[in-house]
Amino acid sequence: SQQGEEDPQALSIQEGENATMNCSYKTSINNLQWYRQNSGRGLVHLILIRSNEREKHSGRLRVTLDTSKKSSSLLITASRAADTASYFCATDEKTSGSRLTFGEGTQLTVNP
Amino acid sequence: SQTIHQWPATLVQPVGSPLSLECTVEGTSNPNLYWYRQAAGRGLQLLFYSVGIGQISSEVPQNLSASRPQDRQFILSSKKLLLSDSGFYLCAWSVTRTSGPPGEQFFGPGTRLTVL
Repeated sequence: SQQGEEDPQALSIQEGENATMNCSYKTSINNLQWYRQNSGRGLVHLILIRSNEREKHSGRLRVTLDTSKKSSSLLITASRAADTASYFCATDEKTSGSRLTFGEGTQLTVNP
Repeated sequence: SQTIHQWPATLVQPVGSPLSLECTVEGTSNPNLYWYRQAAGRGLQLLFYSVGIGQISSEVPQNLSASRPQDRQFILSSKKLLLSDSGFYLCAWSVTRTSGPPGEQFFGPGTRLTVL
């Protein structure tokens, strides 16, 4: 399987609820990033967490990183219909140079 | 501020025809440049990346090629398209770092290619 796999593949929630998405990876990394993609558009960077960090916040986003389990989670609090999008994690392996490896993504639908 | 352009936005091409997709970046110098392909409902597959003019790294064997004729221009090409080349093509750039891991990537709006 690929470096950077998200689960669930799809998540449907009501506005105001929290959304949690998980990402697992296989090799040692320098950083882990989360991106958002609206349908048919390019990706937008959300947050970067370094391998020596355990938690990071940005607005309604909270990202955790557990390097011992090789996993990360993205929490979106108080979700809004506008948060509907696909969310991808991306990792840079320690030997990959300038490359990122993206997961398959989680499709989040927030129902009004 | 930096901007990234991709064109065309949509393209429908017959099997066996040539392809040229262009990506340009403004407002930065010596960026790392990337071409990705995304199948419907899937993640991104890195096709090529470039750390400088004329320097191209290919990630997967395929029917496509890339070139970087100028510092902020990245071109994806094919001599003869296959049905399997259909997909959503994304160009991205990142700041070149002399040391340390890569930072965030900035994506263009993408090109939807359909090969019939």
